[in-house]
Amino acid sequence: GDSVTQMEGPVTLSEEAFLTINCTYTATGYPSLFWYVQYPGEGLQLLLKATKADDKGSNKGFEATYRKETTSFHLEKGSVQVSDSAVYFCALRPSGGSYIPTFGRGTSLIVHP
Amino acid sequence: EPEVTQTPSHQVTQMGQEVILRCVPISNHLYFYWYRQILGQKVEFLVSFYNNEISEKSEIFDDQFSVERPDGSNFTLKIRSTKLEDSAMYFCASSEGTDRNYGYTFGSGTRLTVV
Repeated sequence: GDSVTQMEGPVTLSEEAFLTINCTYTATGYPSLFWYVQYPGEGLQLLLKATKADDKGSNKGFEATYRKETTSFHLEKGSVQVSDSAVYFCALRPSGGSYIPTFGRGTSLIVHP
Repeated sequence: EPEVTQTPSHQVTQMGQEVILRCVPISNHLYFYWYRQILGQKVEFLVSFYNNEISEKSEIFDDQFSVERPDGSNFTLKIRSTKLEDSAMYFCASSEGTDRNYGYTFGSGTRLTVV
C-alpha cells in the first residue's frame, strides 16, 4: 500500500538556519503530495502542495518540489524563525481508487533564538 | 478563516466506558474524516463520511467505533467500551471534495486518555 516516510525528529536549529525535512513516498501512479504543519495546541494546517511531477509548492517561505524520479517531496526553508517551531507532516493522496490521504509520522522542528 | 472545531480538547475516561468526540466541520464542506495519532506514531485514517454515510474506513475502524452526523453541523465519533490502546489524539477533518487537489482542514484534536 501507499506509504510516506519522514526523517526522525526533533530537528533543532538556530534562527536563520537553513531547513530541510526529508520526505519520501511509495505509491502507484501520480499521487498529489502535501505538507501540513501543526503548531502547538492547534490542528494540522495545509502548508503547501504539489499535484504533478516537477511541481514546486511554496508558502510562507517554505518550498517543496515533487520529484518523481526519487519519489521525494523534501521541505525546505532558507531561513527559519522561532515561530516556525511546529510539527510538520508529509502526506500523499492517491491518484486513483481511494482518495484517502496517507500521512507520515511528523517531524518536530525546534528553532532556538 | 473558517475552521474545524473539536470538543473537548482533552478527555479522560475509564477503560470500558463509552466516549463521544465531537466535531463541527466547515459549513460548506461535504466530506468529513476522523484520524488518530497514537503518541509518537503516524497519523492514521479511521473513517470518511459523505452524504450521511460512511464512504471508506480503515481496518482500525471496527465495531467499537461509529460515526454520526446528528444534525446539520456536528459530526461525532463514538468509541464504545474504550481500551487502553485507544489513548491517542483524535483529529476531525473536512474537505470540499475528493479531488486530489483538495487539502483537508483539520481541527485541533481531542486528546483521549483511557485509564
